[in-house]
Amino acid sequence: ETGVTQSPTHLIKTRGQQVTLRCSSQSGHNTVSWYQQALGQGPQFIFQYYREEENGRGNFPPRFSGLQFPNYSSELNVNALELDDSALYLCASSLEGYNSPLHFGNGTRLTVT
Amino acid sequence: GENVEQHPSTLSVQEGDSAVIKCTYSDSASNYFPWYKQELGKRPQLIIDIRSNVGEKKDQRIAVTLNKTAKHFSLHITETQPEDSAVYFCAARMNSGYSTLTFGKGTMLLVSP
Repeated sequence: ETGVTQSPTHLIKTRGQQVTLRCSSQSGHNTVSWYQQALGQGPQFIFQYYREEENGRGNFPPRFSGLQFPNYSSELNVNALELDDSALYLCASSLEGYNSPLHFGNGTRLTVT
Repeated sequence: GENVEQHPSTLSVQEGDSAVIKCTYSDSASNYFPWYKQELGKRPQLIIDIRSNVGEKKDQRIAVTLNKTAKHFSLHITETQPEDSAVYFCAARMNSGYSTLTFGKGTMLLVSP
């Protein structure tokens, strides 16, 4: 069974740039959610995708957007990067249904300078 | 929305002692409560979870208790070992159409040999 994989592992961007982060869900999982984890904090929910559509969103501005593909993999896009966007971005996959446990990837460490 | 408070923020114990981490949640609609362990630079890993129809769940040295009336739940680790040292996060999820988890801010557990 393949776990959740994310790429890249680390990324350095300049304020104002755009970034795309990628995630492959665990085998058999059809739901993907993204979380932002600032240093010393718990993960914060960004949004979730199911059947290629966003079906839930946290308190993040529209410059955070995403996609889910037919193979359930997903992308997180962030436009107009700000210094406060520096964080660990975690992808989690799960099976359909709200009672399914979330399994996290290793994350992408984004640094905005 | 849901709010999860976690205490303490840091916890130091001697090897072999027990450790208890406590969380409270605000939304009585929450019905799923997982605990994650995150080692430095690694992904959050699900270690145990409990649903609202159960008051206690145990898995070897780890147990979780839930008090729905008081809206709090706790993680208990017995016979702690140095490899238990990590940051532990509690989380809560509502019975909604998607899998959003609201996390606490984490507890750094240090087990000294």
